[in-house]
Amino acid sequence: NAGVTQTPKFQVLKTGQSMTLQCAQDMNHEYMSWYRQDPGMGLRLIHYSVGAGITDQGEVPNGYNVSRSTTEDFPLRLLSAAPSQTSVYFCASREPGSRTDTQYFGPGTRLTVL
Amino acid sequence: GNSVTQMEGPVTLSEEAFLTINCTYTATGYPSLFWYVQYPGEGLQLLLKATKADDKGSNKGFEATYRKETTSFHLEKGSVQVSDSAVYFCALSDRTGFQKLVFGTGTRLLVSP
Repeated sequence: NAGVTQTPKFQVLKTGQSMTLQCAQDMNHEYMSWYRQDPGMGLRLIHYSVGAGITDQGEVPNGYNVSRSTTEDFPLRLLSAAPSQTSVYFCASREPGSRTDTQYFGPGTRLTVL
Repeated sequence: GNSVTQMEGPVTLSEEAFLTINCTYTATGYPSLFWYVQYPGEGLQLLLKATKADDKGSNKGFEATYRKETTSFHLEKGSVQVSDSAVYFCALSDRTGFQKLVFGTGTRLLVSP
């Protein structure tokens, strides 16, 4: 049971490039989400999903796209990277109504946009 | 909207000292309250939580009590260890729909031998 996995761990992009941050979970959780962590600002919700085929925007969605074609995977796409997207990105999953009903976080992806 | 305010760090303590990290919140309704911990190079882990007023969450010697009258959820530990060095985040979630987490800015704790 690997929990929540994220790839890559580190990435450097140039302004205008695109990329996809991968997130997968093997706990069969319905809910998944993406957060970004910036110094002095805590974690902020980017997008979230309550099940396959269902996504919605969080607090800071601009510049990011998501899709949820399977329960396990929830990729985050940057279509045209900007320096303001330099951050650490965390994926999380949760099973609502379960005994623990706890958010499980992945180890993070550190992204630098030059 | 909902928000969380926690004390700025770093908090620097010697081993076996008493720890308090203050956290206050603003929310409509009755949120659930959490403390998460982030060790260097890792993701966040749930440390403890409380879901209603006067509840006390506890784990690994850490405690926090949900104080509705003062809208606070302060984290305490009676005797810290070097291994407790990490960043601690206070957070809340509402009880409807997705139950989005709203985080404080985090407090770094440094414990020296």
